[in-house]
Amino acid sequence: AQRVTQPEKLLSVFKGAPVELKCNYSYSGSPELFWYVQYSRQRLQLLLRHISRESIKGFTADLNKGETSFHLKKPFAQEEDSAMYYCAPREGSNDYKLSFGAGTTVTVRA
Amino acid sequence: EAGVAQSPRYKIIEKRQSVAFWCNPISGHATLYWYQQILGQGPKLLIQFQNNGVVDDSQLPKDRFSAERLKGVDSTLKIQPAKLEDSAVYLCASSPGLAGADTQYFGPGTRLTVL
Repeated sequence: AQRVTQPEKLLSVFKGAPVELKCNYSYSGSPELFWYVQYSRQRLQLLLRHISRESIKGFTADLNKGETSFHLKKPFAQEEDSAMYYCAPREGSNDYKLSFGAGTTVTVRA
Repeated sequence: EAGVAQSPRYKIIEKRQSVAFWCNPISGHATLYWYQQILGQGPKLLIQFQNNGVVDDSQLPKDRFSAERLKGVDSTLKIQPAKLEDSAVYLCASSPGLAGADTQYFGPGTRLTVL
């Protein structure tokens, strides 16, 4: 069965410290991978997608096909990064269904 | 541009009652999704529409849930009768293109509590 796992439910870091959110998936083929974010009192929104290979708000995510992982990283966390983060793989062939992990709540402390 | 609109924002009902949620996607978006998000879990896709046709409803509990997207614009999701385990946030999302290959834009959600 296709699965996505975010092993950490909660992650607390100090401002200026690095932060890494783990995501592992078990999909056949070559899925597309996304990170969605929900800030307090805001809507769920796209943070970044792996095919863009870009840095958004200082975050990057590297797809490691060998380890089937798509970890999200930021070298220097800011207080405004406090939010709920969801990893979301999607089959890219005929089925464009997006599957969300359970999410990781990140708290950045001053 | 205006975002995805949903109403109501909150709903409390008793089990076995019926409830309906409404979603207005971003203008021009062909694909519309309904997700169920139970507390502590990520959103789970219930149904996906492309214009006014159903693309995927494999995870929709069809004995009690129904959804329609008349005229390929607004959509309603209905639960009849509701169970305690239906308590969740119901999210509507839309995307511009066909087949759901684009970024999804989410509404604020409807929080349903079934007592």
